[in-house]
Amino acid sequence: DTEVTQTPKHLVMGMTNKKSLKCEQHMGHRAMYWYKQKAKKPPELMFVYSYEKLSINESVPSRFSPECPNSSLLNLHLHALQPEDSALYLCASSLGTFSYEQYFGPGTRLTVT
Amino acid sequence: GEDVEQSLFLSVREGDSSVINCTYTDSSSTYLYWYKQEPGAGLQLLTYIFSNMDMKQDQRLTVLLNKKDKHLSLRIADTQTGDSAIYFCAESMNTGFQKLVFGTGTRLLVSP
Repeated sequence: DTEVTQTPKHLVMGMTNKKSLKCEQHMGHRAMYWYKQKAKKPPELMFVYSYEKLSINESVPSRFSPECPNSSLLNLHLHALQPEDSALYLCASSLGTFSYEQYFGPGTRLTVT
Repeated sequence: GEDVEQSLFLSVREGDSSVINCTYTDSSSTYLYWYKQEPGAGLQLLTYIFSNMDMKQDQRLTVLLNKKDKHLSLRIADTQTGDSAIYFCAESMNTGFQKLVFGTGTRLLVSP
């Protein structure tokens, strides 16, 4: 199994809603990542988890709250988002944070109204 | 700055070769990568090259690296319509972990 899965595929939420994005991998990878990709732009790193602990936060606003409940699962909790947060949110995993190969999921397309 | 530059668009005919270029920023980058993104999908790692190599060939893909000019290229031989996608180069920044910094992306359109 070399797959990273993400749910939901699409999400529309209002600025007062609370929602969560979910990412799962069963490759035994111990590093997991959240990226944000705006339209026609490259992905930008948001968070890195290593062995279920947050190791990198790229100055992301607190309305995005990551969580890694176990080694296979990564969540991104969303609260009080702004329309400019609309983007494709990509999850990735790798064997470890020094591994050169990151496997990406298909992404969740988020629209904030 | 951390801008990794690519040309925006490339159009080729099926069967031709495609060459996508990238100029990166960090001369100490350990690995350089090429990713493919199809519409509405995530990123697929196509190939990578270690910084002490000049060239890497992998089936239809050839990667050339010019460290002096910080220039990376991806050649796709016998380009097919299924190769139409956005191609991102990426460098790994030396930040204590493999932080990927992606290029601006090149949209490749292959016409029959």
